[in-house]
Amino acid sequence: ETGVTQTPRHLVMGMTNKKSLKCEQHLGHNAMYWYKQSAKKPLELMFVYSLEERVENNSVPSRFSPECPNSSHLFLHLHTLQPEDSALYLCASSYRDSATGELFFGEGSRLTVL
Amino acid sequence: GESVGLHLPTLSVQEGDNSIINCAYSNSASDYFIWYKQESGKGPQFIIDIRSNMDKRQGQRVTVLLNKTVKHLSLQIAATQPGDSAVYFCAENTVGGADGLTFGKGTHLIIQP
Repeated sequence: ETGVTQTPRHLVMGMTNKKSLKCEQHLGHNAMYWYKQSAKKPLELMFVYSLEERVENNSVPSRFSPECPNSSHLFLHLHTLQPEDSALYLCASSYRDSATGELFFGEGSRLTVL
Repeated sequence: GESVGLHLPTLSVQEGDNSIINCAYSNSASDYFIWYKQESGKGPQFIIDIRSNMDKRQGQRVTVLLNKTVKHLSLQIAATQPGDSAVYFCAENTVGGADGLTFGKGTHLIIQP
């Protein structure tokens, strides 16, 4: 139990489908993040939410749409994805003003786009 | 741009031996460095961190060394065990807060019986 729970763990979707990834944190943190992890590449920060407001969007294509209804929940809505979007999507949470920047990660949602 | 990189993509060691995983960074303004461990099928987990005003920090079976002169960071794992098999990432924090984490690609540590 990591304190950050992601569902589903695995998702296969076609390029015309619409699906959503869900993340929930039980750690009382005030910031949540979506990262993309592709093979042989560093973790890529996609979105940052602090106190439910989006504070960073690293030029992510509009086919990825985040939603943060409260400080404990984070969604990533997916539509008309491309095969190159296949990756492990990691949710993380933290205290936004943490001096160390320590992130607490979920176990990820493995996405395959056909 | 700034980058954090690891020298070797794969490191294989015998069970019981010590292992050293290296990381080079380029931003001399980085305040904190963090090592994460990611086991197969799991998300990254925090192992240990070190501030830029320190040279060494020890945890349980792990030691992180920071050499600011050559911008080098290493993670030493003593008496490796099968459970140490994982991908290890270094990350640097240059702007404070979790937004500023820049991750390396990772080194896959394989423990041979």
